[in-house]
Amino acid sequence: AQSVTQLGSHVSVSEGALVLLRCNYSSSVPPYLFWYVQYPNQGLQLLLKYTSAATLVKGINGFEAEFKKSETSFHLTKPSAHMSDAAEYFCAVSRAGNTGFQKLVFGTGTRLLVSP
Amino acid sequence: SQTIHQWPATLVQPVGSPLSLECTVEGTSNPNLYWYRQAAGRGLQLLFYSVGIGQISSEVPQNLSASRPQDRQFILSSKKLLLSDSGFYLCAWRANTREQYFGPGTRLTVT
Repeated sequence: AQSVTQLGSHVSVSEGALVLLRCNYSSSVPPYLFWYVQYPNQGLQLLLKYTSAATLVKGINGFEAEFKKSETSFHLTKPSAHMSDAAEYFCAVSRAGNTGFQKLVFGTGTRLLVSP
Repeated sequence: SQTIHQWPATLVQPVGSPLSLECTVEGTSNPNLYWYRQAAGRGLQLLFYSVGIGQISSEVPQNLSASRPQDRQFILSSKKLLLSDSGFYLCAWRANTREQYFGPGTRLTVT
């Protein structure tokens, strides 16, 4: 069964520093992977998605993620953090249920804190 | 383009009272729809999903129920709320490329 693990419930960076949020997946089939961002009291917003077309995926707000099959990882990065990047980030993998219905399985989330 | 609406945005209800949360989607037909809950400090829990009108599947046995009376309408209900029903409720629809798009959410506080 597909699953994702996010390492680190909280990550703190300084403004202008590199952002690295870690996600490892488990999947018996080629996975579809996603990163979402959630600001306080808002819904989740799709940052980027991996659907096997290219291993380096570019998303919105300057974020990108690299799919590494050998490491079963899909880490999210941004070269330079902005104060506005402070939010919670979720990694997710698409999984087919017993009836073939597609679901997303989410990680537990990583809260990104950005200090001036 | 597709838009997803949820209301109300916030709700404070006493224990034992009924609940009805509504979600509607615009700009797409026959979407797969989902209800999630986020409890404080926790991740997303899938509650229900629907592939079409009147077709509801439950992920977790609980005090809640869902209905889909129209193609683009998804309703989450309860006859008697519990304190443990408090949380942030999110509705989502799924695109053909498997990603899901989320509504703005409803903050429910059961007192």
